[in-house]
Amino acid sequence: KNEVEQSPQNLTAQEGEFITINCSYSVGISALHWLQQHPGGGIVSLFMLSSGKKKHGRLIATINIQEKHSSLHITASHPRDSAVYICAVEPHDTSGSRLTFGEGTQLTVNP
Amino acid sequence: AAGVIQSPRHLIKEKRETATLKCYPIPRHDTVYWYQQGPGQDPQFLISFYEKMQSDKGSIPDRFSAQQFSDYHSELNMSSLELGDSALYFCASSLGGELFFGEGSRLTVL
Repeated sequence: KNEVEQSPQNLTAQEGEFITINCSYSVGISALHWLQQHPGGGIVSLFMLSSGKKKHGRLIATINIQEKHSSLHITASHPRDSAVYICAVEPHDTSGSRLTFGEGTQLTVNP
Repeated sequence: AAGVIQSPRHLIKEKRETATLKCYPIPRHDTVYWYQQGPGQDPQFLISFYEKMQSDKGSIPDRFSAQQFSDYHSELNMSSLELGDSALYFCASSLGGELFFGEGSRLTVL
């Protein structure tokens, strides 16, 4: 069992739909990251969370430390949101910010 | 704003050759991380540096070495390349927690 699990693995939506991607983890963490990876590889950091909720534009990320769960929401989805969304955690037992990655969620938003 | 710069973006090498990847962190960032992402796989942590000293080590093969220089840029040296080393190598930098990733260097070993 992976330390970080995401669901769904693949998600197809129509433009304008509200999207939720979930992440569950099994270790104690100091922070959780949501990342976006486009075809060709570049990774963009969307959020770093240690508690509560953050919002940036149409993106919202929440975390529940007690339940070891985080969600990434995209409101009014757009085809340019199509990418792989990755949840990654900083386990307590590692130094610095070494990340353990989930397997990613492939999101496709159709016009 | 300046981002994390990696070079080269693409590199093709033969088996048993050597390769060097470079990472230039965001100015004033004191920590650099290297990750390896094989085809269809999650990124795997290789090594990190804080203030020019190795701060953490992950699944980095003995054939690989890395260092961070006085200007905070970092280099990942890979020797005796194997086909399985073909991957996207990411560098990330941080100052106080939030990570910023480079575009990656794609290494293909033939």
